[in-house]
Parts: sequence; C-alpha cells; structure tokens
Amino acid sequence: QVQLQESGPGLVKPSETLSLTCTVSGASIESGTYYWIWIRQSPDKGLESIGYIYLSGSTTAYNPSLQNRVTISVDASKNQFSLNLRSVTGADTGVYYCASGYSAHVIPFWGQGSLVTVSS
Amino acid sequence: EIVLTQSPATLSLSPGETATLSCRASQSVQQFLNWYQQRPGQAPRLLIYDASSKASGIPARFSGSGFGTEFTLTITGLEPEDFALYYCQQRSDWPTFGGGTKVEVK
Repeated sequence: QVQLQESGPGLVKPSETLSLTCTVSGASIESGTYYWIWIRQSPDKGLESIGYIYLSGSTTAYNPSLQNRVTISVDASKNQFSLNLRSVTGADTGVYYCASGYSAHVIPFWGQGSLVTVSS
Repeated sequence: EIVLTQSPATLSLSPGETATLSCRASQSVQQFLNWYQQRPGQAPRLLIYDASSKASGIPARFSGSGFGTEFTLTITGLEPEDFALYYCQQRSDWPTFGGGTKVEVK
C-alpha cells in the first residue's frame, strides 16, 4: 500500500515560489508502476489537477493553465517527489495533495494534504 | 476545458435510503469518468473509475453508470459514514472535477 506525506511551508509570500515535497513509503518512486501526482483544492476553484511525473522524470505533464509556472521533479535517493509553483498569488492558496495511481488520472492513493496560504 | 456539472448541490436523505447523484459533462468523455468521496478534513477517496468499475475495498452499495455526457453514482442503503461530499472527475482530456454534491442527513 502506497503512503504519501506532504511537507513544506504553510505560508508563502506573493510573487515567490511555493515548494512542497512528498515522501513516499510502501513503493519505490522509480518502479514505473505508479504515477506521482499533485492536486490542489480551494474554496474558489474546487479540486484542480496540477500535474504528474512518471518513471523518474522521463515523463511529466502539467495543467495547461499552470504549465508556465509549475515544475514537478523526483529525488529517487530520498524516495520523494516535489512541486515548485512560481510567481504565486492569492489565487494559489489552498490545500495541496500529493497522490499516486496506476494511471495518471485514476487516483487511489492520497496524502493527508498540506494547507498553503499565499499572503504577505 | 471539459466542464462537469453535478446535481443536486445538496441531497438530504435518511440512513437506509438510496442516493442518486448526477454528473453531466460539457462534451463527451466516453467512459472516462471517476467518482470520489470526501469526508470533512480528509483527502478524497476513489470510489468508482471509468464510469462503473469499483475501486479496491469499496462496498457493494456504491455503483456507477453512464457514458458520454451523463453519469450517475448510486448509493443503495446509505450508511452513517456515507454522508459526505462526492465529486466526479473526467480524464478524457486534462482532468477536471465537478463542483460536488453534498449528501447530508435529513
């Protein structure tokens, strides 16, 4: 059973970069069995798929509305994957989930979520 | 972007009753429609994928149906733990989620 745990700052200033890390247990991030996914949730926009990474970085895909600002990467030595979202505004405030699935958009495994507030 | 519209916004029912939740897509998503349950303070939980396939560990009272633009999640015999928010998600194009249906105790 895959288990995921988000970590990172809960407060980010406008125009700065939001950085979160997801630590994976119960599976190897290099295995190729799973997609490693980021999703966020806010009262205004609801649930929103940010993007995913697969096979240790050989494949990434991002939400078209965010792709100019987002990068997802893997640190295989730590069995972690990360999210960087640049030039944030208040609209980026929300709960950020790391997640995983056998396909990119069918998601049985979720972290508990990390609340990130963008404010000066 | 494919827009998913869920109805009703709120469903007020008693334990033991049957819940019927609807999800309508702005264009055909074929069978690529998933359902999630979210309880307060928790992450979403995958219930149904590809319109009618049950995820691992999901009770038999949950079922899904539909194709194209019209989909239904049915919960037959509501248990106390089923009162929650439910979201549909399409994966025909870049994934989008519906706005949710809240199933509350009448």
